[in-house]
Amino acid sequence: EVQLLESGGGLVQPGGSLRLSCAASGFTFSGYAMTWVRQAPGKGLEWVSSILGSGGNTYNADSVKGRFTISRDNSKNTLFLQMNSLRAEDTAVYYCAKTSGPYYYYNVMDVWGQGTTVTVSS
Amino acid sequence: DIQMTQSPSSLSASVGDRVTITCRASQGISNYLAWYQQKPGKVPKLLIYGAASLQSGVPSRFSGSGSGTDFTLTISSLQPEDVATYYCQKYNSGPLTFGGGTKVEIK
Repeated sequence: EVQLLESGGGLVQPGGSLRLSCAASGFTFSGYAMTWVRQAPGKGLEWVSSILGSGGNTYNADSVKGRFTISRDNSKNTLFLQMNSLRAEDTAVYYCAKTSGPYYYYNVMDVWGQGTTVTVSS
Repeated sequence: DIQMTQSPSSLSASVGDRVTITCRASQGISNYLAWYQQKPGKVPKLLIYGAASLQSGVPSRFSGSGSGTDFTLTISSLQPEDVATYYCQKYNSGPLTFGGGTKVEIK
């Protein structure tokens, strides 16, 4: 069974940092692009970052560019999101999602994790 | 960047009704359009990809259509378990924009 399990969320002050992790199992991790999507309280879904299956190329939403870094360790089947210079508007549930192929485009998010909550507040 | 606009933002319908949700892209995206269902308090779930292909395990009362800029999600006979917010999403290129969502309730 394909499973994704996020961790690392919590309460952080504005300007602080957090590192989210997503442990994957049940599929050949390196063969699939992975994506982070977030959902602010009471709001819709927002794509955050994606990384190719090989890990060679990454893509970020303008809202997080220069602050968030997506990465992966294919030897440990784990996806990461390093979040720096956090702002109140980054408060959200962060989901990791597996895409249906090696590229983040031309492929859909077919499996989602349960999400981890990030709260940015003083 | 391409914008995705859904309508309506919410709707209320009776059990058994036919429900249609519309998604419009600000530029053509061919058929690179997905629909996701998010039930209250739950994780989003892929319903339809390629504008019209049903994801495995999704009930056949759900269907999708469209190409280019205009797309629809149809629930042929609304069931109580279909109460959810539905999102469209483009995936032809970055950014992977979602529509604003359509909240479906039972009348």
